[in-house]
Amino acid sequence: LAKTTQPISMDSYEGQEVNITCSHNNIATNDYITWYQQFPSQGPRFIIQGYKTKVTNEVASLFIPADRKSSTLSLPRVSLSDTAVYYCLVGDSGGSYIPTFGRGTSLIVHP
Amino acid sequence: DAGVIQSPRHEVTEMGQEVTLRCKPISGHNSLFWYRQTMMRGLELLIYFNNNVPIDDSGMPEDRFSAKMPNASFSTLKIQPSEPRDSAVYFCASSPPRATDTQYFGPGTRLTVL
Repeated sequence: LAKTTQPISMDSYEGQEVNITCSHNNIATNDYITWYQQFPSQGPRFIIQGYKTKVTNEVASLFIPADRKSSTLSLPRVSLSDTAVYYCLVGDSGGSYIPTFGRGTSLIVHP
Repeated sequence: DAGVIQSPRHEVTEMGQEVTLRCKPISGHNSLFWYRQTMMRGLELLIYFNNNVPIDDSGMPEDRFSAKMPNASFSTLKIQPSEPRDSAVYFCASSPPRATDTQYFGPGTRLTVL
């Protein structure tokens, strides 16, 4: 199971772009990269998943370089409501691996 | 779809009492997960069911904890007897077939053991 490393916390201001990078040096060929978001007093919520290059949806973008040893979650023009914990998970989506959430990155957006 | 449903949302009990938490997964999902979250330990996986069968219960703290999934639409997590250190938020999540990394979480049950 690929181990992931991400910053414990980050601070930003409203309107800025936030990039959260996750390192996963021993990612395997069949592994996908998945990000979750957890607001205070709620359960985590799946936000984006990718295998390589770039994935974009209405919430975020996910950038994955060619070697796939890291990935960057990008949140455009954050608002106060983006304050949350963001988790990076790596594993074989088609398999039976059990995601390990770890501590995630606590993002605080300031006015 | 109503999403994952958990009950109760809040539970306050006294040490030594039995506590039962309930979960209804999303229809069509065949994997179900129970998690516990505390400030000290973060989000911990307690047990994972696939097609109603417990696959991995290595995260269950001790014999005081037990979980069942009698059918595809219902699961329980029981703590007996409860202790103050069991105070936490307990989440249930479900995932579609062949997608254990795409989990849908319920709102959680906040348990306080006095």
